[in-house]
Amino acid sequence: AQKVTQAQTEISVVEKEDVTLDCVYETRDTTYYLFWYKQPPSGELVFLIRRNSFDEQNEISGRYSWNFQKSTSSFNFTITASQVVDSAVYFCALSEARAGGTSYGKLTFGQGTILTVHP
Amino acid sequence: EAQVTQNPRYLITVTGKKLTVTCSQNMNHEYMSWYRQDPGLGLRQIYYSMNVEVTDKGDVPEGYKVSRKEKRNFPLILESPSPNQTSLYFCASSVTGTYYEQYFGPGTRLTVT
Repeated sequence: AQKVTQAQTEISVVEKEDVTLDCVYETRDTTYYLFWYKQPPSGELVFLIRRNSFDEQNEISGRYSWNFQKSTSSFNFTITASQVVDSAVYFCALSEARAGGTSYGKLTFGQGTILTVHP
Repeated sequence: EAQVTQNPRYLITVTGKKLTVTCSQNMNHEYMSWYRQDPGLGLRQIYYSMNVEVTDKGDVPEGYKVSRKEKRNFPLILESPSPNQTSLYFCASSVTGTYYEQYFGPGTRLTVT
């Protein structure tokens, strides 16, 4: 069975600090997809990134970057120079897929990390 | 505007009184899913549907029913709600399957007393 662990329940930083949110996953499949979603205080869930298991390239988008390492089953998320608007709950998620890439339909989320950025 | 809508947004009910939470998407997505969010547990998948008339259990299906008679709608039915079903519920859809990003509804906060 697939599993996602976000060991950091809450993180508190001061604005302009860098912060890394950890995500460790378990899966028996060789084909799978990893995601990060953001849930700001307003409550909606916002998609941030998707990565498939065959693409270990790190990705940078503005102040956000993601480090995917299959060797350690981790997909960590770093915010550089954090801002108050980054305060939110962040979820990592995993979807296993068949060899051809089609999904089984199940999506497993981690417990979430509450990030608070203080001015 | 592309969106997923849920109704009601807030609901307080009593144990045993059947209720339905509706979910509708206007993006012609094949895949739809229901999740519940509880503190410390993240989001847990209740049921999902790969297409019309195709539904399957997620990780926490007990006490819930779903149906997918039309592509756009995916209602969640609680036939006999209990207090442990008090939660924040999200409906989501994607183009096809879970390897695409999910578009989430605004959430339904349900309290069962």
